[in-house]
Amino acid sequence: EAQVTQNPRYLITVTGKKLTVTCSQNMNHEYMSWYRQDPGLGLRQIYYSMNVEVTDKGDVPEGYKVSRKEKRNFPLILESPSPNQTSLYFCASSSSRLPGQGSQPQHFGDGTRLSIL
Amino acid sequence: TQLLEQSPQFLSIQEGENLTVYCNSSSVFSSLQWYRQEPGEGPVLLVTVVTGGEVKKLKRLTFQFGDARKDSSLHITAAQPGDTGLYLCAGGRTSGSRLTFGEGTQLTVNP
Repeated sequence: EAQVTQNPRYLITVTGKKLTVTCSQNMNHEYMSWYRQDPGLGLRQIYYSMNVEVTDKGDVPEGYKVSRKEKRNFPLILESPSPNQTSLYFCASSSSRLPGQGSQPQHFGDGTRLSIL
Repeated sequence: TQLLEQSPQFLSIQEGENLTVYCNSSSVFSSLQWYRQEPGEGPVLLVTVVTGGEVKKLKRLTFQFGDARKDSSLHITAAQPGDTGLYLCAGGRTSGSRLTFGEGTQLTVNP
């Protein structure tokens, strides 16, 4: 089954304790992206990657890191989490390097709910 | 920054009623996608429109892209409780490499 898998689905942690949210897709997609979803703000892009070893900042990259060493994996790293990073996070992938042009959808994972105390 | 504003933010209607959700911007987008999101899940693509003035129908859902490619609408006819969910519009930026999402419209259809 084609899917984007995020882990963990839920995490409660404390300020300053490094954490990684993993994302894996089995569709051989070149484009992957991380978003955070907050009430009243919609989905905001954190980072995206158009191919292996190629990553770019989205609209809200501060406090986050990503890596794309393999095509299928795109982990999101919070080196020193803070309470303002409490949010619902989504990983997405697309078969098109240019998801904003044309009809290829972004396939989303089921989300990771992070609570930073 | 290209921004997308959705209205209304919340909509609660009775089964059988019609409704329209709007997605507006002052910027031109190369494409406009509509997603639906249910609790505990990620958004799922409903449709993409790429040509100004384009109209697409998906059963009881009608999507329209404005002539100037700055706005879009989603019209649902005879809404059903199964239509309940968060509807998100997303505009393709001119570079094509990114999408800008609206804040979403939370639709509740009561039986």
